[in-house]
Amino acid sequence: ILNVEQSPQSLHVQEGDSTNFTCSFPSSNFYALHWYRWETAKSPEALFVMTLNGDEKKKGRISATLNTKEGYSYLYIKGSQPEDSATYLCASSYFGNEKLTFGTGTRLTIIP
Amino acid sequence: EAQVTQNPRYLITVTGKKLTVTCSQNMNHEYMSWYRQDPGLGLRQIYYSMNVEVTDKGDVPEGYKVSRKEKRNFPLILESPSPNQTSLYFCASSPQLSGGYSDTQYFGPGTRLTVL
Repeated sequence: ILNVEQSPQSLHVQEGDSTNFTCSFPSSNFYALHWYRWETAKSPEALFVMTLNGDEKKKGRISATLNTKEGYSYLYIKGSQPEDSATYLCASSYFGNEKLTFGTGTRLTIIP
Repeated sequence: EAQVTQNPRYLITVTGKKLTVTCSQNMNHEYMSWYRQDPGLGLRQIYYSMNVEVTDKGDVPEGYKVSRKEKRNFPLILESPSPNQTSLYFCASSPQLSGGYSDTQYFGPGTRLTVL
């Protein structure tokens, strides 16, 4: 079983501040890295899928980068708002493998 | 509306009493999957299906069965549930795989199962 790690496990951020967190994954045979946002009592929703080394994706105040050589991805949130409070999950996939392997998530709480 | 539906949303049952959690998607997706979510652990894949009549084990398949007789449905069957199967279960679907796996998954609303 592949090991995808996310840090920190949880994070409290003041409203208006920017923040970032990390996803580390095995880089051998890497195919794609996914980020999902999971609000309490809802389903995980896709944010980004990235495949190429150096990829950067952006959606509003949220952006992500990918380093496939060293096996990590960063998720950035600029000017945090209360609605950003959620658990952020990353997942990786590999060539010839039809599965996604998820990390345990970073639980983000925005303090008004 | 494009969606993945699961039923029931909540279920309390007793050890050994067979149960089925249904999953249905209306997006004509090839790939469907079941996950369980437990505190302190990530989403762990139970079973997945790449197409009708094609299913395969994920990382934690013990104690579960699935079937894919139609493209839209992917039920999860617990033949003899045990307390360690108490968990939050998600069904997900995505468009056809291509080589590795880079398609976005769409998740159902989740089923919270308690086995006493």
